[in-house]
Amino acid sequence: DADVTQTPRNRITKTGKRIMLECSQTKGHDRMYWYRQDPGLGLRLIYYSFDVKDINKGEISDGYSVSRQAQAKFSLSLESAIPNQTALYFCATSDRSGSRYNEQFFGPGTRLTVL
Amino acid sequence: QKEVEQNSGPLSVPEGAIASLNCTYSDRGSQSFFWYRQYSGKSPELIMFIYSNGDKEDGRFTAQLNKASQYVSLLIRDSQPSDSATYLCAVYFGNEKLTFGTGTRLTIIP
Repeated sequence: DADVTQTPRNRITKTGKRIMLECSQTKGHDRMYWYRQDPGLGLRLIYYSFDVKDINKGEISDGYSVSRQAQAKFSLSLESAIPNQTALYFCATSDRSGSRYNEQFFGPGTRLTVL
Repeated sequence: QKEVEQNSGPLSVPEGAIASLNCTYSDRGSQSFFWYRQYSGKSPELIMFIYSNGDKEDGRFTAQLNKASQYVSLLIRDSQPSDSATYLCAVYFGNEKLTFGTGTRLTIIP
């Protein structure tokens, strides 16, 4: 089984709908991240969490919210989806004990289309 | 603002040749550096990390770091068609986050 899983893998929705993307990990890592990827813009950090009680905004958090339900679960919500949130979304994890190196492990991604 | 710059490419290299990918970054105090490979529509996967000046080799891959010049590169020897992908440079600036470049698209020509 994959160490970092994301559901759904693909989603098409309409403007104004509420959407939740879920991420689960079995790596035992403390740190979890949400990124979006757009062509030509690379990976941009939306939110990150270093433990269940620690949530931080990334560079593009407007229009998004997150919930860290447990060490292994980190969800991203779009309260009212808009077309420019159409993108590929990745969840990632990293281990605090290796913080100097900060290697991140990525889930398979969710392709979200907002019509 | 912490920045990581890469040439977006595409970079075309004949099969069997050496592919050279480059990355510059904005902060002299940066601590560690990563190269990720990403196939189209797939997630990034780590192929190399480096934190000391000089070269680090792993199989056909060599990462080169020059902190004085704020420059990190990735060399791929004996390039194979399966190396065709986008390569992302990422830098840990010590702010508890990785900052990614926009990636260089590499195409290996058979």
